[in-house]
Amino acid sequence: DAGVIQSPRHEVTEMGQEVTLRCKPISGHDYLFWYRQTMMRGLELLIYFNNNVPIDDSGMPEDRFSAKMPNASFSTLKIQPSEPRDSAVYFCASTPRAGATQETQYFGPGTRLLVL
Amino acid sequence: KQEVTQIPAALSVPEGENLVLNCSFTDSAIYNLQWFRQDPGKGLTSLLLIQSSQREQTSGRLNASLDKSSGRSTLYIAASQPGDSATYLCAAYPGQGGSEKLVFGKGTKLTVNP
Repeated sequence: DAGVIQSPRHEVTEMGQEVTLRCKPISGHDYLFWYRQTMMRGLELLIYFNNNVPIDDSGMPEDRFSAKMPNASFSTLKIQPSEPRDSAVYFCASTPRAGATQETQYFGPGTRLLVL
Repeated sequence: KQEVTQIPAALSVPEGENLVLNCSFTDSAIYNLQWFRQDPGKGLTSLLLIQSSQREQTSGRLNASLDKSSGRSTLYIAASQPGDSATYLCAAYPGQGGSEKLVFGKGTKLTVNP
């Protein structure tokens, strides 16, 4: 398998523009996670899905952020409108199962977002 | 609320030295404790996962231990090499009744000098 795939790898945009980040999890993985990493706050979980259903979005910072998973092989994280403080690296991760038999999470390479 | 702390934030050692990275967590009710490696500009790569019933896990030159009662985990790297230079993050997975959220520390940036 190619691993978790994210696109774009880099995104530079201007404040107020819409940004869409994309993720393809590893085939057969039931859980998908979106994280944000900054120097100040470290790695933060934004939202996660189980079998395409959003389970916990309590980490989503504001209504400007939204995430969807229309099918088992694709998810998007959208920021509209974007602000300079959204600049960060956004990671997608997937795992085949969670709970007592949890395996580790497999991370994508990340999308580096810079909002000017 | 689970909090994970890693001290020091950065560590520099000469090649060949054995070293220990520290991780502490506030809530001992965890399913497992995981260690990840992150290279600059890259995503996280899983190194070791220690179940709550285990005391340690080994992979090659890496050995991770877990002491739930004291809320501590350590990652031991033997005979360090320049290729080990990276940021190492630990993450606690909450116990029964918790959500599926991994709680990460901010990492220790390791530099191994040739």
